[in-house]
Amino acid sequence: NAGVMQNPRHLVRRRGQEARLRCSPVKGHSHVYWYRQLPEEGLKFMVYLQKENIIDESGMPKERFSAEFPKEGPSILRIQQVVRGDSAAYFCASSRAGGYQPQHFGDGTRLSIL
Amino acid sequence: DAKTTQPPSMDCAEGRAANLPCNHSTISGNEYVYWYRQIHSQGPQYIIHGLKNNETNEMASLIITEDRKSSTLILPHATLRDTAVYYCIVRGSESTGNQFYFGTGTSLTVIP
Repeated sequence: NAGVMQNPRHLVRRRGQEARLRCSPVKGHSHVYWYRQLPEEGLKFMVYLQKENIIDESGMPKERFSAEFPKEGPSILRIQQVVRGDSAAYFCASSRAGGYQPQHFGDGTRLSIL
Repeated sequence: DAKTTQPPSMDCAEGRAANLPCNHSTISGNEYVYWYRQIHSQGPQYIIHGLKNNETNEMASLIITEDRKSSTLILPHATLRDTAVYYCIVRGSESTGNQFYFGTGTSLTVIP
């Protein structure tokens, strides 16, 4: 998993607070993907971004969740007013391009809601 | 949505070849087959991918049947560190989406 850096590795929030998860893609990669993994389940796609553009957000919950990938800096997944059900591991992946390029994953952020 | 079928679990003796099967009978002509694995508490690790020809890299070999309806991932000499959940994924052109669909995978246990 060398290359994709996610921070923090662990994040604890109380219900109603905001959570910000950061992802720095592999150097040279301009495509970023966010996935969520609930306990004992497989990864579920959330959103696909290129620099300054959201390409596909079909997996994002309609409320409280947002993502960005600015021209400079890491991609951010933001969860407002967190609830217990948001507790999960959130993984970021990057690729050099879209299409058939394999995605390379970071080691995730484990979000726990008290 | 996973479009693939894998056995839920398998065991393999250390030092032997691990052969992990995957059925993808509805695969279309422009869809690739990808394999990832996830070791507990880590992110998925890319292993290999292919379209129709067999592929080999430093980690594994991918054998795709001629009709492309199934494939096998081969770890030639399994070690204890290969114990993980292995995911077989099919993914095609931009029109079918950019995301990977992770099913439940195969939990491989390498036995000493």
